[in-house]
Amino acid sequence: AQSVTQLGSHVSVSEGALVLLRCNYSSSVPPYLFWYVQYPNQGLQLLLKYTTGATLVKGINGFEAEFKKSETSFHLTKPSAHMSDAAEYFCAVSRGDSSYKLIFGSGTRLLVRP
Amino acid sequence: SQTIHQWPATLVQPVGSPLSLECTVEGTSNPNLYWYRQAAGRGLQLLFYSVGIGQISSEVPQNLSASRPQDRQFILSSKKLLLSDSGFYLCARDRRGGYTFGSGTRLTVV
Repeated sequence: AQSVTQLGSHVSVSEGALVLLRCNYSSSVPPYLFWYVQYPNQGLQLLLKYTTGATLVKGINGFEAEFKKSETSFHLTKPSAHMSDAAEYFCAVSRGDSSYKLIFGSGTRLLVRP
Repeated sequence: SQTIHQWPATLVQPVGSPLSLECTVEGTSNPNLYWYRQAAGRGLQLLFYSVGIGQISSEVPQNLSASRPQDRQFILSSKKLLLSDSGFYLCARDRRGGYTFGSGTRLTVV
């Protein structure tokens, strides 16, 4: 079975500060890993994904994440937070085979202080 | 285009009333489709998924059902809504490397 744990339901940073959102996963097979962003009352938008290959993946809006198999982690970072980054972020895992069901974490709400 | 249409965007229904939420997909044929629910302060829970017409898999026992009458149509239903059915319902289709989500339906059961 697969699962995702996001540490911290709320993270608050100052504008211009580093953003770090934590995600740990559990998977019995090589995983595909994703980060999604959700703005209020909207659907989810894909930020970035890891499937195979390079473990540091870059996404939209300046975000990146690194797949660390030894730590079973896929933390999301951005060097400098912007007010427009305030949203809810979801980490997700799927099996890296023909089954594409996504299992989501409980989400982390990012607050950006001026 | 991989657009997903969901309607209505918001819905307020009394307890005990029926429910029908519709999701339609543009683009390639025979997509895998999913219904997720997001309850207040909680993550996304997979409710149903479908790999083709008439094929529905339920992930959790609940007061809801799903149907797929056409290749690009996925419907979420209930005969009698409960207060606990309130939430934000999202339809999604998968593609290798991620999902595409609809804009969601916010359901409030009163």
